[in-house]
Amino acid sequence: DVKVTQSSRYLVKRTGEKVFLECVQDMDHENMFWYRQDPGLGLRLIYFSYDVKMKEKGDIPEGYSVSREKKERFSLILESASTNQTSMYLCASSIYLNSPLHFGNGTRLTVT
Amino acid sequence: KQEVTQIPAALSVPEGENLVLNCSFTDSAIYNLQWFRQDPGKGLTSLLLIQSSQREQTSGRLNASLDKSSGRSTLYIAASQPGDSATYLCAVSSTGNQFYFGTGTSLTVIP
Repeated sequence: DVKVTQSSRYLVKRTGEKVFLECVQDMDHENMFWYRQDPGLGLRLIYFSYDVKMKEKGDIPEGYSVSREKKERFSLILESASTNQTSMYLCASSIYLNSPLHFGNGTRLTVT
Repeated sequence: KQEVTQIPAALSVPEGENLVLNCSFTDSAIYNLQWFRQDPGKGLTSLLLIQSSQREQTSGRLNASLDKSSGRSTLYIAASQPGDSATYLCAVSSTGNQFYFGTGTSLTVIP
């Protein structure tokens, strides 16, 4: 079974802090994704990566950046956290584009 | 941009009932459609994926159908159980690069 692991289940950060969310997958998947999930808005794509060091913006990239130095690891970076970035963050991976998505358990981030 | 709608937002049924969850999408030019289950505070678990060339997929008590021309998919759950209580989301891939998600149907199965 594919395992997608997000390093933290819960995080509390202060406004203006730099925040790193880490995601690791163990199945040599090419593609990795970061979503945020908010009530009434569903899941929205922040960034995705289809290869090491390659990235593309999703629908809501503002205020975020990503890093993929190794195939198995995809990091989401909040350069200067703001209260409107309080959300559930979900990482996913897939072997090919259009293949099934496999999700981690999510990180609930609160910015105060 | 693809828009995905799931109605109803919430559904409550007695145990043992068969039920149907609905998903509609605006752009029929899709690659595939995936159904997920999400338990409270958790990530998403993949249930079924239907390729655009397929009409349906089955897994145990679950059956998902796809009608691209009308922009609809349904998830049929047979003989519902309390353990089926969760939020069910559908997601559509139409560009190959990303999936577009509905906001989900919250299902409660009453013992």
